[in-house]
Amino acid sequence: QVQLVESGGGLVKPGGSLRLSCVASGFSFSDYYMSWIRQAPGKGLEWVSYSRSSGSTKYYADSVEGRFTISRDNAKNSLYLQMNSLRAEDTAVYYCVREGPAPSGWFDHWGQGTLVTVSS
Amino acid sequence: EIVMTQSPATLSVSPGERATLSCRASQSVRSNLGWYQQKAGQAPRLLIYAASTRATGIPARFSGSGSGTEFTLTISSLQSEDFAVYYCQHFNEWPVAFGGGTKVEIK
Repeated sequence: QVQLVESGGGLVKPGGSLRLSCVASGFSFSDYYMSWIRQAPGKGLEWVSYSRSSGSTKYYADSVEGRFTISRDNAKNSLYLQMNSLRAEDTAVYYCVREGPAPSGWFDHWGQGTLVTVSS
Repeated sequence: EIVMTQSPATLSVSPGERATLSCRASQSVRSNLGWYQQKAGQAPRLLIYAASTRATGIPARFSGSGSGTEFTLTISSLQSEDFAVYYCQHFNEWPVAFGGGTKVEIK
């Protein structure tokens, strides 16, 4: 079955950096578009970043543009999110998410999430 | 950017009753809309995509309708496991966006 397992979250000071990882299994990772979606404590869902299957096309939310970088290693079935210049408002659970059969735009499988806390 | 607005914020319903949730887009998203369910402490789960198509394994009591700017998620007879928060999401263009959610609680 499809599994998405995130790691790399934790406590970081404002201005610091963190790299999230997501390992995928149970499907042909290289065939799917992937995204990161976050959820601040007690709040709704916010799409953060997107990568097409080859990694050649990437999109970012305005709130993270220039600070976050999405990447993937299809040989390792892995998706990454490099987060720099972190702010308190980046505190959230970050979900690794698979998009439905491309191009679809909906998200059919979600990981359990990894918590990022930005605080001094 | 397209803004998604859900109403009501909270819906109190008795088990066995019908629940109707609304989602409005700030401009047309055609039928490029999905619905998700999120239970406390869990990741969201896709319920509906393309406005009215149930995702794999989703019970028939969940149905979606609408197009353009107005959408509805209907749960025909609420079961205990359906009490949760529901989000709509457009995927008409980038950036995609979610609504603020509707919490369905036990009356």
